[in-house]
Amino acid sequence: QVQLVQSGAEVRKPGASVRVSCQASGYTLTEYYLHWVRQAPGQGLEWMGWINPKSGSTYYSPKFQGRVSMSRETSISTGHMELKNLRSDDTAIYYCARGIIDIRGLLAWLDPWGQGTLVTVSS
Amino acid sequence: DIVMTQSPDALAVSLGERATINCKSSQSVLYNSNKKNYLAWYQQKPGQPPKLLFYWASTRESGVPDRFSGSGSGTDFTLTISSLQPEDVAVYYCQQYFNTPFTFGPGTKVHIK
Repeated sequence: QVQLVQSGAEVRKPGASVRVSCQASGYTLTEYYLHWVRQAPGQGLEWMGWINPKSGSTYYSPKFQGRVSMSRETSISTGHMELKNLRSDDTAIYYCARGIIDIRGLLAWLDPWGQGTLVTVSS
Repeated sequence: DIVMTQSPDALAVSLGERATINCKSSQSVLYNSNKKNYLAWYQQKPGQPPKLLFYWASTRESGVPDRFSGSGSGTDFTLTISSLQPEDVAVYYCQQYFNTPFTFGPGTKVHIK
């Protein structure tokens, strides 16, 4: 079955960077976009951006532009999200999600989602 | 950016009763060339990732019980649970994929009265 399995929880100090990985199985990574969404404790969902694993092209939400970088390693069907210059308000669960492309080639809904990776930023 | 709002913030419904969640977008998410609404609904249970319920505003994802229905067009959308079951306790989010950045509603928490 289609599945996204993410790397384990991370703890970082303010100013540091973190990289979260997301391994796809049950489908070919390069045939769908990969999105990243985060959720602060007790809060809602915040979309961060996408990567096209086939071409490597990316789009980042303006909120994260300059601090986030998304990449992929197609040989191991894995996508990565790196967030730099961490602050305490970056403490959140980070999710990857497969991005569906509609028949016109336009971006569409997210399904499925990875299990989430808790990133804690604390001094 | 398209701003998504939801109402109510929280909803207490008796088992077997109807639950209705509203979602509004700050601009239309109806794509005129294909007449599709670029809106999805997700369900998130405690400690779990979100799960897709509907896409194109009203197309039910495979495996989603038919007591769930999605409706609406343009800027106003509704998720309805016709007969609330214990396993439906969750937070429900709408999301537009009409424009980047994608945006989510703030969520509606559904619990048992």
